[in-house]
Amino acid sequence: KQEVTQIPAALSVPEGENLVLNCSFTDSAIYNLQWFRQDPGKGLTSLLLIQSSQREQTSGRLNASLDKSSGRSTLYIAASQPGDSATYLCAVHDNTDKLIFGTGTRLQVFP
Amino acid sequence: DGGITQSPKYLFRKEGQNVTLSCEQNLNHDAMYWYRQDPGQGLRLIYYSQIVNDFQKGDIAEGYSVSREKKESFPLTVTSAQKNPTAFYLCASSIRTDINEKLFFGSGTQLSVL
Repeated sequence: KQEVTQIPAALSVPEGENLVLNCSFTDSAIYNLQWFRQDPGKGLTSLLLIQSSQREQTSGRLNASLDKSSGRSTLYIAASQPGDSATYLCAVHDNTDKLIFGTGTRLQVFP
Repeated sequence: DGGITQSPKYLFRKEGQNVTLSCEQNLNHDAMYWYRQDPGQGLRLIYYSQIVNDFQKGDIAEGYSVSREKKESFPLTVTSAQKNPTAFYLCASSIRTDINEKLFFGSGTQLSVL
């Protein structure tokens, strides 16, 4: 059974720092991996989708990498800003055709 | 503006009562989904629909029911059989259920038990 883990559960950093969020999954047979952002009491916004054949995707200050063989993905946020404060979730689309979500990393960027 | 609208934002259920959560989308998406989010847990799939008049159970369908009479609408009913309904409910849609299609989410409904 696919399990998705995100470490750390919470992170607090000063503005301007570069940071890395981690996502690991137990079964490497995935079709893709997505990173989402969730603001408090709100829905999820898709940030990046990496297909299984890809190694990374970039959007602005965000860069997501995927290493299927080791069951890991990282979300790199450059030059963090207070507006980046949110919960970040990763989800893998596994071979049962379902999205399996991690529990998220709650990020706070303080001025 | 195109998007997914969930209502109400907050909902309270009395014991033994059925309640219905609304989800409407104007994105012309074929696929729609209902997820439940509990504190400290990942999202769990309740039901999904790939096309009008068709839907499938997800991982935690017991105590819930859905309908898909129109492409734009996918309401979720939380029945009295659901003994622990307090959670944040999220509706999502995608163009189709192709595995590489992004999901678009509504802003959620917080359901609490009185």
